[in-house]
Amino acid sequence: GENVEQHPSTLSVQEGDSAVIKCTYSDSASNYFPWYKQELGKRPQLIIDIRSNVGEKKDQRIAVTLNKTAKHFSLHITETQPEDSAVYFCAASTGSSNTGKLIFGQGTTLQVKP
Amino acid sequence: GEEVAQTPKHLVRGEGQKAKLYCAPIKGHSYVFWYQQVLKNEFKFLISFQNENVFDETGMPKERFSAKCLPNSPCSLEIQATKLEDSAVYFCASTTSRDIEQFFGPGTRLTVL
Repeated sequence: GENVEQHPSTLSVQEGDSAVIKCTYSDSASNYFPWYKQELGKRPQLIIDIRSNVGEKKDQRIAVTLNKTAKHFSLHITETQPEDSAVYFCAASTGSSNTGKLIFGQGTTLQVKP
Repeated sequence: GEEVAQTPKHLVRGEGQKAKLYCAPIKGHSYVFWYQQVLKNEFKFLISFQNENVFDETGMPKERFSAKCLPNSPCSLEIQATKLEDSAVYFCASTTSRDIEQFFGPGTRLTVL
């Protein structure tokens, strides 16, 4: 069935360092890959997303790369700050429509130490 | 509204009792999704609607869980005879057929004792 694997499950970095979280997906028809940040007790918040016709997208300190052939995508956060500490989830849409369900990765708890 | 609304915020039920959760999608959004987030943090897709029609129900447990989206009413997710393992945060999300981003509500935390 459809599956998204996310690694690592926890990540601890020093403030100012970079953080990288990786995901692989199984459904080759997936065409939308969002990344969410979730703080304790809050809703998941979209931080960046990428569509399958693009290999890389950047928004200030956050970037996402997509390798469709290998079916994996990664989140890169540069110059990390303590407020980046949260749980990050990758997801992949199912099928090729805009309205497919999202399959989520298992989450990565990022801790940025001041 | 401009945000997905979910009620109640918290719901506590004894094992075997019924639980009903509500979701009002963003005005103009015709697709509604329900996800369950258990303590391990993993999100599980339950069901989606296109207006009042079931769009995808591949994640819905066959028994005890049901959902509806009726015209001019909030969507609802109902759990009959709740079990301890139903304890989770239930998120609703909505989108349009043109947008691809799913907008999440604040969630309903269900605790089954």
